[in-house]
Amino acid sequence: DVKVTQSSRYLVKRTGEKVFLECVQDMDHENMFWYRQDPGLGLRLIYFSYDVKMKEKGDIPEGYSVSREKKERFSLILESASTNQTSMYLCASSHRGGWSYEQYFGPGTRLTVT
Amino acid sequence: KQEVTQIPAALSVPEGENLVLNCSFTDSAIYNLQWFRQDPGKGLTSLLLIQSSQREQTSGRLNASLDKSSGRSTLYIAASQPGDSATYLCAVGSGGSYIPTFGRGTSLIVHP
Repeated sequence: DVKVTQSSRYLVKRTGEKVFLECVQDMDHENMFWYRQDPGLGLRLIYFSYDVKMKEKGDIPEGYSVSREKKERFSLILESASTNQTSMYLCASSHRGGWSYEQYFGPGTRLTVT
Repeated sequence: KQEVTQIPAALSVPEGENLVLNCSFTDSAIYNLQWFRQDPGKGLTSLLLIQSSQREQTSGRLNASLDKSSGRSTLYIAASQPGDSATYLCAVGSGGSYIPTFGRGTSLIVHP
């Protein structure tokens, strides 16, 4: 069974802290994604990675960075957390090739910045 | 740029009804369309994936159809149950990009 896991389901951090959100997939997928989801705004792409050490900015990369040192792991970093980064963060992965690109999502991390 | 719209934004039906959720897209040059379910506070669960060469896919009480020429997909849920209550999102893959375009979702409530 395919699986995408995220390091925490709930996280509470203080303003100014450096925050790491980890995502691991066990499907040998090339593509990995970080989204945030807010009421009324839908899913918004923060960053996308199509291979190890490769990344592309999404729609809202400001205030975030990412790291992909291994194929199975994609980390989202909030350099200095702010209250407007309180949100649900979702990681996803997909295979590159065969014109399928079916996306699989993790359970989400609910981050609260106080 | 691809745009994906889901109407209605919210739907409330009595248990047992057959219902249809809609997803429309502006660029018909798609390579796939995926339907997801999301329960409150949880991640997205993939329900059905339709490749561009396919017209429909079925899984249990769910049937998804695709009409590329009209830019539409429908998700048909037969004999709805309270456990079907969730938000349903569609995502369209197009333009040679690995990044799908998501609709805002339809929030479904099935009441007993």
